[in-house]
Amino acid sequence: SAVISQKPSRDICQRGTSLTIQCQVDSQVTMMFWYRQQPGQSLTLIATANQGSEATYESGFVIDKFPISRPNLTFSTLTVSNMSPEDSSIYLCSVGRISNSNYGYTFGSGTRLTVV
Amino acid sequence: AQTVTQSQPEMSVQEAETVTLSCTYDTSESNYYLFWYKQPPSRQMILVIRQEAYKQQNATENRFSVNFQKAAKSFSLKISDSQLGDTAMYFCAFMNAGTASKLTFGTGTRLQVTL
Repeated sequence: SAVISQKPSRDICQRGTSLTIQCQVDSQVTMMFWYRQQPGQSLTLIATANQGSEATYESGFVIDKFPISRPNLTFSTLTVSNMSPEDSSIYLCSVGRISNSNYGYTFGSGTRLTVV
Repeated sequence: AQTVTQSQPEMSVQEAETVTLSCTYDTSESNYYLFWYKQPPSRQMILVIRQEAYKQQNATENRFSVNFQKAAKSFSLKISDSQLGDTAMYFCAFMNAGTASKLTFGTGTRLQVTL
């Protein structure tokens, strides 16, 4: 399965600022996914990042707040813009694989964001 | 839209005992995948076990096994010989087959393994 390097692992940010989270995959993948996990909650998909096209956002998430880049098949960034304390969460990137009997999703180690 | 329900927010089991975590889902699709993920305090999401909907045989991975009841849309996880390292949040997840589409997660069950 793919190996994902995600950074930063954690950060404490001032409200009103922005943070960019990076994910690097050790193999080429078509789609990358960005999830948010609010404190004590499950994972919610923010958007799907496709190489060479605009990201597809889920209901409740907008590009101005969570701009995503996908410059190539192994890399993606998620920016959390104009942060407020409500943005304090764990953010995770993920890649999926569907190939015969080898299927599943691999996750990055997550970025714990605290907004003060 | 698919929904995944985990009705047990917290569970506790003694070391070496067996515990079953429940998961139900709702979908109109006929071909899909189901997963159980483990999230320890390190927050890393770890794939525990997976099941293809078209397979009748229940998946097993060492001490972990599932009871997949497609008609009932139920996908429970059984952990045998529980170990302290099994302490974690467990999430059930659903994915449509075909392309690598998104995962839909349940709300999670916090499992505590005690001595």
